[in-house]
Amino acid sequence: EAQVTQNPRYLITVTGKKLTVTCSQNMNHEYMSWYRQDPGLGLRQIYYSMNVEVTDKGDVPEGYKVSRKEKRNFPLILESPSPNQTSLYFCASSKINQPQHFGDGTRLSIL
Amino acid sequence: GESVGLHLPTLSVQEGDNSIINCAYSNSASDYFIWYKQESGKGPQFIIDIRSNMDKRQGQRVTVLLNKTVKHLSLQIAATQPGDSAVYFCAEKHTNAGKSTFGDGTTLTVKP
Repeated sequence: EAQVTQNPRYLITVTGKKLTVTCSQNMNHEYMSWYRQDPGLGLRQIYYSMNVEVTDKGDVPEGYKVSRKEKRNFPLILESPSPNQTSLYFCASSKINQPQHFGDGTRLSIL
Repeated sequence: GESVGLHLPTLSVQEGDNSIINCAYSNSASDYFIWYKQESGKGPQFIIDIRSNMDKRQGQRVTVLLNKTVKHLSLQIAATQPGDSAVYFCAEKHTNAGKSTFGDGTTLTVKP
C-alpha cells in the first residue's frame, strides 16, 4: 500500500531533550516536506527536499533540522526542543509538481 | 470591479445542497493550486488540482475555479454529503519550486 509513515505518532518530552521524528515513503517520490499545524494558523512548511541530499528552508525552519540521505526517508530533528514547538507535525511526499501524500501526523508536546 | 467569494473559516450546509469554499492566494507567481481535505485525526488528502493555464477543472462531484486576476480559488462540492464534513485547505506553489503555501482552511459541516 502506498503510504507515508511517521513515527512516533505521539510524544511527550521535556525542553532541551533532542528528538527525531522519522518519515518514510514507499512511492519513490523525489519531493518530501515537513509541516506543522497549529490552531488558527493552518499548515506551515518547515523544510522541504527536492531530491536526495537537497534540502531547503520553508517558512518556519527555526529550531529544526532535516536530512535526506536516502530517497525514502526524511527525518525531522529537534536538537533542543522548546515549548513553542508543541504542535501537530505532518510529513508529505510527492512526485515533482504533483499533489502531496501526507502521513497521519505526529503530535508533539514539549513541557 | 469583480466580486469574489469571501473566505469563511466555517461553513454549514444541508445534506444535498451544493457547497462553495473560497480561498484567496497571495503569490502572483504561483501557477499550481491544490485542494486538500482533512478529516479529524488524519493528514490532508488530495481532492483536485488546477494549473494556471486553466480556469476550471471538474472531478467527481467537485469543481475548482481559478481567477488569476483577483488571485482567487474556489472549490464547489455538488450534492454535499455527511462524509464531506472536514476541513478544506487550498495550497499554492510555483512549478518546479519546493515551497508550498497553505490557506487557513475552512471547516465544512454537513447537516443531515
